[in-house]
Amino acid sequence: DGGITQSPKYLFRKEGQNVTLSCEQNLNHDAMYWYRQDPGQGLRLIYYSQIVNDFQKGDIAEGYSVSREKKESFPLTVTSAQKNPTAFYLCASKGDRNTIYFGEGSWLTVV
Amino acid sequence: AQRVTQPEKLLSVFKGAPVELKCNYSYSGSPELFWYVQYSRQRLQLLLRHISRESIKGFTADLNKGETSFHLKKPFAQEEDSAMYYCALIRGSTLGRLYFGRGTQLTVWP
Repeated sequence: DGGITQSPKYLFRKEGQNVTLSCEQNLNHDAMYWYRQDPGQGLRLIYYSQIVNDFQKGDIAEGYSVSREKKESFPLTVTSAQKNPTAFYLCASKGDRNTIYFGEGSWLTVV
Repeated sequence: AQRVTQPEKLLSVFKGAPVELKCNYSYSGSPELFWYVQYSRQRLQLLLRHISRESIKGFTADLNKGETSFHLKKPFAQEEDSAMYYCALIRGSTLGRLYFGRGTQLTVWP
C-alpha cells in the first residue's frame, strides 16, 4: 500500500523531552509538509520542504525542527520548547496537479 | 494573513436538504482552489479542485473571482456526507505552499 506513512500513531511524551515523528513517502514527491490539527483551528502549517536538503518555516514553527536528508523522509522533532505540543500531527506530500496526499496522522500527548 | 476563510465551524442539515459550505479567499493572483474532506476515522483526502470543474459524490464548487469565493454545494445531502471539509488554496506557482481554511464540520441528520 503506497503513500504516506506516519509513525508512531500514538505517542506519549513527558514534559521536557524531545520527540521525533516519522514521515515516509514512496510517491516520489518533492514537496512535503507537516501540519498540526487542533479542534477549531483547522490545519496549521509547521514546516514544509520543496526539495531535499531544503525546508522553510510555516506559520507555527516555534518549538519544532525538521530535516530533509532523503527525498522520501521528512521527520518532525517536537522539542521541549514547544509550549503546547499535545495535538494531532499530519504529514503530507504534493503530487501531480498540486494534489496533496496526507498520512494517517500521529497523536502526541504530553503527560 | 488569513488567505482562506470558512465562516462556519459547524453546519447541520437534514438528509435530502441542499447544503452549501462557504469558502472565501484573499489572493490577488490566479489561485488554484481545492476542497478536501476528512471522514470519521479516515485520512484527509482531496474531494475536488476548481480547475477540473468536476462533480464528485454530487458535490460541485464554482470559483467566483469577483466575489473571491469557492463555495461547495450539493443539492441533496446524504448522511454519509457528514465529515470535516477544508477549503484550500495554492498560489499560481507550483512551488507555492498550500493554505487551508479552518474547516467546517458538516452533520447530516437522518
